[in-house]
Amino acid sequence: DAKTTQPNSMESNEEEPVHLPCNHSTISGTDYIHWYRQLPSQGPEYVIHGLTSNVNNRMASLAIAEDRKSSTLILHRATLRDAAVYYCILSVNFGNEKLTFGTGTRLTIIP
Amino acid sequence: GAVVSQHPSWVICKSGTSVKIECRSLDFQATTMFWYRQFPKQSLMLMATSNEGSKATYEQGVEKDKFLINHASLTLSTLTVTSAHPEDSSFYICSAREGRFVGDTEAFFGQGTRLTVV
Repeated sequence: DAKTTQPNSMESNEEEPVHLPCNHSTISGTDYIHWYRQLPSQGPEYVIHGLTSNVNNRMASLAIAEDRKSSTLILHRATLRDAAVYYCILSVNFGNEKLTFGTGTRLTIIP
Repeated sequence: GAVVSQHPSWVICKSGTSVKIECRSLDFQATTMFWYRQFPKQSLMLMATSNEGSKATYEQGVEKDKFLINHASLTLSTLTVTSAHPEDSSFYICSAREGRFVGDTEAFFGQGTRLTVV
């Protein structure tokens, strides 16, 4: 399985943008890049996913490098409710592919 | 949007007893569901893949006779922790994805079940 590498932790001030990086240098052409987040004592929650082009939704933006070996999750204006562990995961597009979680990035929002 | 619901949210049981956790996909059919376990301050570890109408596929190191999985319908999978011991205390989470070609679809997760064995 292609692996991802994320910083263990990051801090950001409330109401400022947050850029969460993810390296996936062994990504294959059929791997989608998924981001999920997990709030304390809850199951993970979908954030965003993409293949090659940058993606935007109501929660965040996903910027994918041209060579696809890295990506960045962008929270445009962090709130205290965005404090969570963020996971960057690769997912192939065939079969009922399981999602394998790495250690993720623990994001702390400073009021 | 699609929702995956787990029940119960938390359970306390005595050592040696069995506990069943249910995972339901509420508005979509899931031929495959996944069961994860998460210890405090650790990431999610995949335990097994639950396949509707067939045997579950267990990850290496997970005892299939201890963690019984049944996926009897397209909307329900159950995980039974048999003869539970304190070391089985953990946060159990199920997940499901809609459709066959899933890379381009989001995964949905249950809210988790916190099991405490005393």
